[in-house]
Amino acid sequence: AQSVSQHNHHVILSEAASLELGCNYSYGGTVNLFWYVQYPGQHLQLLLKYFSGDPLVKGIKGFEAEFIKSKFSFNLRKPSVQWSDTAEYFCAVNDLSGGSYIPTFGRGTSLIVHP
Amino acid sequence: NAGVTQTPKFQVLKTGQSMTLQCAQDMNHEYMSWYRQDPGMGLRLIHYSVGAGITDQGEVPNGYNVSRSTTEDFPLRLLSAAPSQTSVYFCASSYYRGGTEAFFGQGTRLTVV
Repeated sequence: AQSVSQHNHHVILSEAASLELGCNYSYGGTVNLFWYVQYPGQHLQLLLKYFSGDPLVKGIKGFEAEFIKSKFSFNLRKPSVQWSDTAEYFCAVNDLSGGSYIPTFGRGTSLIVHP
Repeated sequence: NAGVTQTPKFQVLKTGQSMTLQCAQDMNHEYMSWYRQDPGMGLRLIHYSVGAGITDQGEVPNGYNVSRSTTEDFPLRLLSAAPSQTSVYFCASSYYRGGTEAFFGQGTRLTVV
């Protein structure tokens, strides 16, 4: 079964620092990739997604992610974080090659941005 | 656009009580699922459904029942609540074919005392 690893469990940054959150999935084939964000006390919302095409995907609020197929990775980046980016971030993978479209989520990364 | 609606938002149960968490979506999504979210554990899949009349177990199904009589509704039943079921529960839905993004409900914060 597909698995998703998010290497950073807790990240603490100051405002204006750059952010990179790692995400790796366990095996190849055709995949759809997602990053979701959960602001404190709220539900998960889609940040960005990759289905095909340009491996550099731009999402909302200045976030972007790069799909590197050879590394099974989909890392999330933001050049300059803001206090309002404080949230939990989840990477998710839909493994289309297995015939099952049930998404697999990583365990999440908690980001705290100090003003 | 209601999206995914979950009720209630908060609930306190006594050990042994039963209850049903409601989930409804108005996007005609085939796939619906229930997750629980616990600190440090991320999202864990409880049960899911790929269409009316079809349900299956996820990673942590014990103590929970589901049914899917319509496309819109996917209730989660706690049969006999235990303190270990204290958690935040999220319902999600998506189009099954093509593996599209999931839409989440607002969550239910359940405390079992």
